[in-house]
Amino acid sequence: DTGVSQNPRHKITKRGQNVTFRCDPISEHNRLYWYRQTLGQGPEFLTYFQNEAQLEKSRLLSDRFSAERPKGSFSTLEIQRTEQGDSAMYLCASSLGVGQYFGPGTRLTVT
Amino acid sequence: AQSVTQLDSQVPVFEEAPVELRCNYSSSVSVYLFWYVQYPNQGLQLLLKYLSGSTLVKGINGFEAEFNKSQTSFHLRKPSVHISDTAEYFCAVRGFSSGGSEKLVFGKGTKLTVNP
Repeated sequence: DTGVSQNPRHKITKRGQNVTFRCDPISEHNRLYWYRQTLGQGPEFLTYFQNEAQLEKSRLLSDRFSAERPKGSFSTLEIQRTEQGDSAMYLCASSLGVGQYFGPGTRLTVT
Repeated sequence: AQSVTQLDSQVPVFEEAPVELRCNYSSSVSVYLFWYVQYPNQGLQLLLKYLSGSTLVKGINGFEAEFNKSQTSFHLRKPSVHISDTAEYFCAVRGFSSGGSEKLVFGKGTKLTVNP
């Protein structure tokens, strides 16, 4: 059983550039979640999908952030005009029931 | 809305000693409760979850947790720790109600360090 995968694992970008991350959930999991984790903190919820529908977005998700899950399988998270405050670990999780299973994360560094 | 407080940011213990990591939560609705472990530069691994039924929940790697509704607590315990248990541990809560949010709300984490 393949777990949740995320690509890339690391991304270094300059302030003002756009970045896109990809998440592939566990197959047949219909729910997919994005979280952000900064140093010394627990993960914070960003958004989640049930199949292709985006059902909830956090207020943390500013208009520079957009997430999609076009065919109800993989998902992308795009950050436009990155800022230094966007530097964090971006975690993806998937579920079929109540428990959420996390991927390894994408670490973003904005210079 | 839900919130989680992990009472200790760091817990040092010696190998083979017992350990308890404390977690308290608040919620206006009934909850599901979780413990996750995070090793350096990795994602989170689900250790155990409480959904309903028995208040004592057993998880992987010899960990267990007890749900106490009156004290709104969900403390994690292990009777004898190993060096390999050194990691950060996160308690999380999710409310459940019809049409409610499925997001997890996490505490700030407890860093467990097991010394030889």
